[in-house]
Amino acid sequence: DADVTQTPRNRITKTGKRIMLECSQTKGHDRMYWYRQDPGLGLRLIYYSFDVKDINKGEISDGYSVSRQAQAKFSLSLESAIPNQTALYFCATSEGTGGTNEKLFFGSGTQLSVL
Amino acid sequence: SQKIEQNSEALNIQEGKTATLTCNYTNYSPAYLQWYRQDPGRGPVFLLLIRENEKEKRKERLKVTFDTTLKQSLFHITASQPADSATYLCALGENTGFQKLVFGTGTRLLVSP
Repeated sequence: DADVTQTPRNRITKTGKRIMLECSQTKGHDRMYWYRQDPGLGLRLIYYSFDVKDINKGEISDGYSVSRQAQAKFSLSLESAIPNQTALYFCATSEGTGGTNEKLFFGSGTQLSVL
Repeated sequence: SQKIEQNSEALNIQEGKTATLTCNYTNYSPAYLQWYRQDPGRGPVFLLLIRENEKEKRKERLKVTFDTTLKQSLFHITASQPADSATYLCALGENTGFQKLVFGTGTRLLVSP
């Protein structure tokens, strides 16, 4: 079983719809992240959470919201989807030891298309 | 402005040769640098981390160097194999409170038999 599981793997939606992408992890990590990946732009951080009561905006949070329902679950919502939110979305976790070893463990991604 | 540059053109090499990928950065002061491998349709997978006070790190056939004067990291795969074909991403971590990683766009490596 994957340590970081994202659902759905693929999603096609229409402009204006609200959608939710879900992420769950079995690694026992406190820190969870949502990134999006666009061709030529690399991975960009949307939101991150260091524990259940902690939510922080990343560099491109406009148009997105998140919910940390439990240590193992972190969901990303698009309140009103627009075509430029078409991208590959990744959830990631890290151990969060506070040192310089914040390596990330990624899920397999959700390909989202907004028509 | 801040920039992380990886060669956007694919690197094509023959099996058995050494592949060298470059990561250059400007206007960053990274405390460490990480390299990830990403296969099509999959999430990136962590490979190596090198800290600012380290010049070189090795792991099996992989070697990473970090030159803070040149603002550059080189990623080498020796005795490359077709299974090494993937996209390789570098990521910088700065010591500014939350050590947020900033990713480059990646370089695709193609190893032909």
